[in-house]
Amino acid sequence: AQKITQTQPGMFVQEKEAVTLDCTYDTSDQSYGLFWYKQPSSGEMIFLIYQGSYDEQNATEGRYSLNFQKARKSANLVISASQLGDSAMYFCAMRGINTGNQFYFGTGTSLTVIP
Amino acid sequence: DGGITQSPKYLFRKEGQNVTLSCEQNLNHDAMYWYRQDPGQGLRLIYYSQIVNDFQKGDIAEGYSVSREKKESFPLTVTSAQKNPTAFYLCASSSLVRVPNQPQHFGDGTRLSIL
Repeated sequence: AQKITQTQPGMFVQEKEAVTLDCTYDTSDQSYGLFWYKQPSSGEMIFLIYQGSYDEQNATEGRYSLNFQKARKSANLVISASQLGDSAMYFCAMRGINTGNQFYFGTGTSLTVIP
Repeated sequence: DGGITQSPKYLFRKEGQNVTLSCEQNLNHDAMYWYRQDPGQGLRLIYYSQIVNDFQKGDIAEGYSVSREKKESFPLTVTSAQKNPTAFYLCASSSLVRVPNQPQHFGDGTRLSIL
């Protein structure tokens, strides 16, 4: 079974500080992809970053990086130098090679950036 | 620009009425998906389709129907059998090439309310 767990319903961070959003996963697939999405209050889902299960290096995209620890089955999102515009819901998702047509989402973390 | 277009942005349904939400993509993606999102909640899969004229039920398909007559289009009908349709509906698409590396791309969503 595929499962994504996000244990932080809400997080606060001071502007310009870094913040880590937690994501753990469970899968029986040997090959899988992990994704993070941002959902602002307007509702659209914005793809942020991707990590492949066989990637040896952690993914980075601008201020976003993914702290991937395969043995612990965790894929935490790190946002550096937080900005007010980072306030949003963040969802972790997974796609497996054997269940490639479906994506599995966590319940999300609401991030609020404090000026 | 390639992307996914959902319309309308806001939709109101009267009791006993069927309504159809439109989703069109020009990304040449084979797979398309419909999700429902209730306030403060995560995404729940309604239906998905991998190929024209074929689709599979997701976790909450009851009260909904879909069609996939063209690769680019995947409309969702919310039928009168869906007793609690008020929610935010998101359409997504994804490539089936190089799975599981490909993310989902989302439309901007449709907010459906009961009159």
